[in-house]
Amino acid sequence: QVHLVESGGGVVQPGTSLRLSCAASGFTFSSFGMHWVRQAPGKGLEWVAVTSNDETNKYYGDSVKGRFTISRDNSKQTVYLQMNSLRAEDTAVYYCARKGRYCTGGECFPKDHIDSWGQGTLVIVSS
Amino acid sequence: DIQMTQSPSTLSASVGDRVTITCRASQSISTWLAWYRQTPGKAPQLLIFMASSLQSGVPSRFSGSGSGTEFTLTISGLQPDDFATYYCQQYSSYPITFGPGTKVDIK
Repeated sequence: QVHLVESGGGVVQPGTSLRLSCAASGFTFSSFGMHWVRQAPGKGLEWVAVTSNDETNKYYGDSVKGRFTISRDNSKQTVYLQMNSLRAEDTAVYYCARKGRYCTGGECFPKDHIDSWGQGTLVIVSS
Repeated sequence: DIQMTQSPSTLSASVGDRVTITCRASQSISTWLAWYRQTPGKAPQLLIFMASSLQSGVPSRFSGSGSGTEFTLTISGLQPDDFATYYCQQYSSYPITFGPGTKVDIK
């Protein structure tokens, strides 16, 4: 059973940094890409970043590009989100999520639908 | 960036109703579309991927269709757990984008 547990959220001041962690279990972590998705209070879902299983490919949302960095440690089965220069508009619940797969003809290919989600960690950026 | 829109934004229905939600993309995304259900205080749950493929473990009352720029999610026989907010997501190109959501509430 896929289990994703985020940690590292909290209250921080604008302009500061925070690193979120997501511990994964119940699947072969090194075989799956991982996403971060966020949700501001009372708002919809916003995609933040994705990394491939081996960190070869990383992509970011427009609003976080240049400020946030996604990384992973496959030996620790953990994915991270380093958030720098935080702004009030970064206030949100941050979800760690597993990249989906499409299987056909006995082969599976990574795709960017999200098949499993953590419970989320709340980040509040406020002075 | 590909913009996603959903209609309606809110839908009132009763248990047992058949409901349909529409999602439109600002450009063709082939069938690279997923649907999620989210109840208050919980993480989203994947329902449909590749526009029409039912995720393992998801009840068969959920179905998806469409390609290109127009997609639909249909719930045949609304259950109490289905009063929730539904999001579409395109993954044809980065940045990945979500629709604004459709809230299904009790009539």
